[in-house]
Amino acid sequence: ETGVTQSPTHLIKTRGQQVTLRCSSQSGHNTVSWYQQALGQGPQFIFQYYREEENGRGNFPPRFSGLQFPNYSSELNVNALELDDSALYLCASRSGTENTGELFFGEGSRLTVL
Amino acid sequence: RKEVEQDPGPFNVPEGATVAFNCTYSNSASQSFFWYRQDCRKEPKLLMSVYSSGNEDGRFTAQLNRASQYISLLIRDSKLSDSATYLCVVRNTDKLIFGTGTRLQVFP
Repeated sequence: ETGVTQSPTHLIKTRGQQVTLRCSSQSGHNTVSWYQQALGQGPQFIFQYYREEENGRGNFPPRFSGLQFPNYSSELNVNALELDDSALYLCASRSGTENTGELFFGEGSRLTVL
Repeated sequence: RKEVEQDPGPFNVPEGATVAFNCTYSNSASQSFFWYRQDCRKEPKLLMSVYSSGNEDGRFTAQLNRASQYISLLIRDSKLSDSATYLCVVRNTDKLIFGTGTRLQVFP
């Protein structure tokens, strides 16, 4: 167990809807990253939060947005869902003071867009 | 061109075999390198870091060639439990870039 928990584990939405995914990071970890993993692909970096501020973003459109809360938990919001948004969404946490390259991932939220 | 490229496989090998995975990366300013392992329908987990001098962890050996921008992972004496997808990962500034992954299936 990595201590990173995500909810919901599975969900189904239709095109045009909005979704919020949640992540509770490992105790003591103040840096949270979100990744999208489509079937047969590696995880793609969406963005990263450090102490409630976004401090890095990948090639994802603005309809992907996020938040980090004072307790370091985080949300990923996706508006105007498209079929291609169907994927496993992974949250990962680490300590912000030391970037060893080890991310602790949650088990993910599997989103299906119909 | 993808920042990190891997052969997706699958590699099907018998128990006891030696298998090697390769990976190339495009950003010469990349700072550190890793192999992650991902079991079917599970989250990725760090397998090992990769250093320029090469490093070994039991049956696993990782190599890095910065001049060629090439990373490798060698698994000796494969076990059934080694069956998984192996993700090549590169750190650029503060984010990790993952390859597509190479799937390994070890059979009895």
